[in-house]
Amino acid sequence: DIQMTQSPSSLSASVGDRVTITCRASQGISNYLAWYQQKPGKVPQLLIYAASTLQSGVPSRFSGSGSGTDFTLTISSLQPEDVATYHCQKYNSAPFTFGPGTKVDIK
Amino acid sequence: QVQLVQSGAEMKKPGASVKVSCKASGYTFTNYGISWVRQAPGQGLEWMGWISAYKGDTNYAQKLQGRVTMTTDTSTNTAYMELRSLRSDDTAVYYCARGGAFAEYWGQGTLVTVSS
Repeated sequence: DIQMTQSPSSLSASVGDRVTITCRASQGISNYLAWYQQKPGKVPQLLIYAASTLQSGVPSRFSGSGSGTDFTLTISSLQPEDVATYHCQKYNSAPFTFGPGTKVDIK
Repeated sequence: QVQLVQSGAEMKKPGASVKVSCKASGYTFTNYGISWVRQAPGQGLEWMGWISAYKGDTNYAQKLQGRVTMTTDTSTNTAYMELRSLRSDDTAVYYCARGGAFAEYWGQGTLVTVSS
């Protein structure tokens, strides 16, 4: 099975900072990658699918890129409400494995 | 609007079974699959499997094969996930979600606690 890794596992940044999270697949998955945001104690919410397509209603400060094995989620200007854990998920073929998550908080 | 409403929290003893329900509304149930995802306390998301609400085809995570069964009832627009031979490491919040690949809409989660 394809394994998913994320880096860093956690980060602390200031409001307004540009934040980048990386997700890596152990084999190529084309652009079949989704990103989710999970705020503390809440249900995960879909942010991005097809590696770079923003889900309806998601603020434009979020963006995704990548293809094959390497992907990034970027928050262009970190806001207090972005404190959350971010999960990537591959969905090219089952199993639709999640990455281990990246916890983002405010410095 | 799309809603997925799950059944309430469960407390089970090791070796028992649990069946979680997920009632869908706001869309044509048979047009989408239902995925099940769990999250152990303080841990990441774990994909458990997927069922086609139209045909009933399933695909389960290998580590759960033989212990998990996912079904749907199209007469009530409800999906079910049954997990058998429960162990303490099955303690988690269990989510259903619409979509067979990525999950666009999620249920509120059902806490299943396995403890003697």
